[in-house]
Amino acid sequence: AAGVIQSPRHLIKEKRETATLKCYPIPRHDTVYWYQQGPGQDPQFLISFYEKMQSDKGSIPDRFSAQQFSDYHSELNMSSLELGDSALYFCASSSTSGGAPDTQYFGPGTRLTVL
Amino acid sequence: DQQVKQNSPSLSVQEGRISILNCDYTNSMFDYFLWYKKYPAEGPTFLISISSIKDKNEDGRFTVFLNKSAKHLSLHIVPSQPGDSAVYFCAASEGGSQGNLIFGKGTKLSVKP
Repeated sequence: AAGVIQSPRHLIKEKRETATLKCYPIPRHDTVYWYQQGPGQDPQFLISFYEKMQSDKGSIPDRFSAQQFSDYHSELNMSSLELGDSALYFCASSSTSGGAPDTQYFGPGTRLTVL
Repeated sequence: DQQVKQNSPSLSVQEGRISILNCDYTNSMFDYFLWYKKYPAEGPTFLISISSIKDKNEDGRFTVFLNKSAKHLSLHIVPSQPGDSAVYFCAASEGGSQGNLIFGKGTKLSVKP
């Protein structure tokens, strides 16, 4: 079965640079979530979108922004990168088809390293 | 403050025996709970979930128990297999399965042959 696709899988950036992470949800999934997992930490919720509208916001820095496009893919834009932004960034998707909310399924993650 | 707590960072079990992973939570508004398994360099893989209206959910070798009064849930794996060796994350949500997830810090399970 098709899974959540994230690109790139690995990204190396310098401080103060910008980065764009992409997420392609499972087909027919209408909700996308972004999580950040620092070294040795649990995943922390950043932001989510439902039907292209922001649905919830967590601990996302102001330097980050995200959006969901008409084809339901999502992009996380990160500016003025800091060393502390080095982490695994996971995207998850879920579906509300049939009115019944579904479980979040995670992508493989993008490992961002800021030098 | 950690709303979802997995107090055992690691657990070692013999193949064929039962693995019991525990999770405690503090937010009484959580109404949906999930367990994810994670291998290194991969995303969390959904294992099993339970709604707060239930106290048990079973799927093959995996059973999740929920004790709402104690704000405690556990994942039982029986029989444990070496391929079960991974980090297990407990997660909880306030908005049913659509709410954003709050994760515990994970428990590393090692199943020895």
